[in-house]
Amino acid sequence: GQQVMQIPQYQHVQEGEDFTTYCNSSTTLSNIQWYKQRPGGHPVFLIQLVKSGEVKKQKRLTFQFGEAKKNSSLHITATQTTDVGTYFCAGPLSLYGGSQGNLIFGKGTKLSVKP
Amino acid sequence: EAGVTQFPSHSVIEKGQTVTLRCDPISGHDNLYWYRRVMGKEIKFLLHFVKESKQDESGMPNNRFLAERTGGTYSTLKVQPAELEDSGVYFCASSFRTGYNSPLHFGNGTRLTVT
Repeated sequence: GQQVMQIPQYQHVQEGEDFTTYCNSSTTLSNIQWYKQRPGGHPVFLIQLVKSGEVKKQKRLTFQFGEAKKNSSLHITATQTTDVGTYFCAGPLSLYGGSQGNLIFGKGTKLSVKP
Repeated sequence: EAGVTQFPSHSVIEKGQTVTLRCDPISGHDNLYWYRRVMGKEIKFLLHFVKESKQDESGMPNNRFLAERTGGTYSTLKVQPAELEDSGVYFCASSFRTGYNSPLHFGNGTRLTVT
């Protein structure tokens, strides 16, 4: 069945270092979304990418959507302790042509930042 | 605006007992979703309501799970009888509409432990 794989599962960095998490889908996605879940919290929507090759930036966060619309990445420059949490990518179930909110999530990358 | 609220935040029950989880979506959001995250695994889709109608319940594990959304406002998810493998965090999410540019707003989740 359709799968969304995410690596690495865990990442420990020193504050100020960069961080990247990668997301790979078994099928072409109409769009991809990224969510962040702080420890003890709930997933919070960060961004949605729709176009092939799209790159979006939010301050120190850079999101990319691959040309084939099957992979994506999130890069954080100069991590801070406030970046701690689990980052999930999610894509719509292809059965619905990407028009529904029924998402398949990756397992997430848990980021810890040492001050 | 008030976010998605879920009750209870935690529930510990014995195998064979019944538990009912409640979700109040953001006011005006017709779309309501239930997701579940079992320890260490990905967040998995359970079902999707549009108003009071079940749009998709393909993610429901088995007939021990029953979701309702009478009147198209709040929703309940009942597990009866609970089994050990039902333990996990149950997230409710809502969105204003389906499709692009309508991200999911998650509640804080209900952590269910079946002993």
